[in-house]
Amino acid sequence: GESVGLHLPTLSVQEGDNSIINCAYSNSASDYFIWYKQESGKGPQFIIDIRSNMDKRQGQRVTVLLNKTVKHLSLQIAATQPGDSAVYFCAEIRYSGSARQLTFGSGTQLTVLP
Amino acid sequence: GAVVSQHPSWVICKSGTSVKIECRSLDFQATTMFWYRQFPKQSLMLMATSNEGSKATYEQGVEKDKFLINHASLTLSTLTVTSAHPEDSSFYICSARAPTLYPSYEQYFGPGTRLTVT
Repeated sequence: GESVGLHLPTLSVQEGDNSIINCAYSNSASDYFIWYKQESGKGPQFIIDIRSNMDKRQGQRVTVLLNKTVKHLSLQIAATQPGDSAVYFCAEIRYSGSARQLTFGSGTQLTVLP
Repeated sequence: GAVVSQHPSWVICKSGTSVKIECRSLDFQATTMFWYRQFPKQSLMLMATSNEGSKATYEQGVEKDKFLINHASLTLSTLTVTSAHPEDSSFYICSARAPTLYPSYEQYFGPGTRLTVT
């Protein structure tokens, strides 16, 4: 069925290095994509979003890239810090009936090594 | 701004009892609230969508008689797990959406409630 999924379930990076988290999606009708960060025992925290008519968007230390040709989404975190350790979810927003519905991908556990 | 709270943050109940979880939007009016369930090391799965003053819409496979949702005001939604069983143990997360906030599609998530049924 249509879903949003992640290539890598776990990712370990050295502190200070850049991190790249990938996500594949299958529904070309999605009009927004969002990256969330979830720390242990907490709710998801919005990081950055991108509209489907864009291919790149930058925030503070984060960049999201969208490749609609291959239906691929990535989150790049520059100069990864220990506080970045968390599970990262991509999510897509698309219309379901008359309402916008948010669907989460499976998540990637990012561990920052000292 | 756009803060969502949940109460309690964790709860332990005995099998067969019911437990109520509250979700509040603290500084905005939420016309739509969502309830998600998350099992360990898994993603968030949408259980139901509720609009203020109307019945909740449940996702396929979610028992509406077991997971009672009430969205009586623009700032409060409740999820009641009735006749809870150990398999209902999970992390329950609510979110709220406010069309008056930008972007209008964004959902603001609560901190979650850890339910353990013994």
